[in-house]
Amino acid sequence: EVQLAESGGGLAQPGRSLRLSCAASGFTFDDYAMHWVRQAPGKGLEWVSGISWNSGSIGYADSVKGRFTISRDNAKNSLYLQMNSLRDEDTALYYCAKDTKFHYDSSGYYDYWGQGTLVTVSS
Amino acid sequence: NFMLTQPHSVSESPGKTVTISCTRSGGSIAYSYVQWYQQRPGSAPITVIYADNQRPSGVPDRFSGSIDRSSDSASLTISGLKTEDEADYYCQSYDSTNHVFGTGTKVTVL
Repeated sequence: EVQLAESGGGLAQPGRSLRLSCAASGFTFDDYAMHWVRQAPGKGLEWVSGISWNSGSIGYADSVKGRFTISRDNAKNSLYLQMNSLRDEDTALYYCAKDTKFHYDSSGYYDYWGQGTLVTVSS
Repeated sequence: NFMLTQPHSVSESPGKTVTISCTRSGGSIAYSYVQWYQQRPGSAPITVIYADNQRPSGVPDRFSGSIDRSSDSASLTISGLKTEDEADYYCQSYDSTNHVFGTGTKVTVL
């Protein structure tokens, strides 16, 4: 059974940092691209970042480019999101999602999602 | 970059059919596949349509997807509406470097 378990969320002040983790199990982690998708309270889904199976291709939404860094450790079956210079508008539930393809920028889709970890940015 | 615009909400009675549109601005809808995700309150999204019109296993055939190149739009049709279909629905597509979600549509089953 595929499982994705996010952790690392919490309360952070504007300008501070947080690191999210996603522990994956039930599939061959290094065969698939992975993504972070967020959802602000009462709002829609927003793609944050994607990473290919071997970290060779990485992409970010314009809203987080230069502040967030996605990475993965295939030996640990884990996905990460380093979030720096946090802003109020980064407050959201952050989902980890599995792609169906090797590369994040190809014709795949998200076939499994975690339950999310809540990030609240507030002074 | 491009945007995907959906109607804010649609409502219909049980047993009827609803169609949700997803209009792409900033490029052809045929440039890349369109996916549709269903999100019930308090739950993570699930895929109901991928690659424009393909259903994942386990998704009932009441759900169907299509694209219209002439209007640069995609559509999700839910026939034989059930109360369990009440949820938010999001289209999603991508370009060379970005993934984009639609604005979302709340489906209410009256």
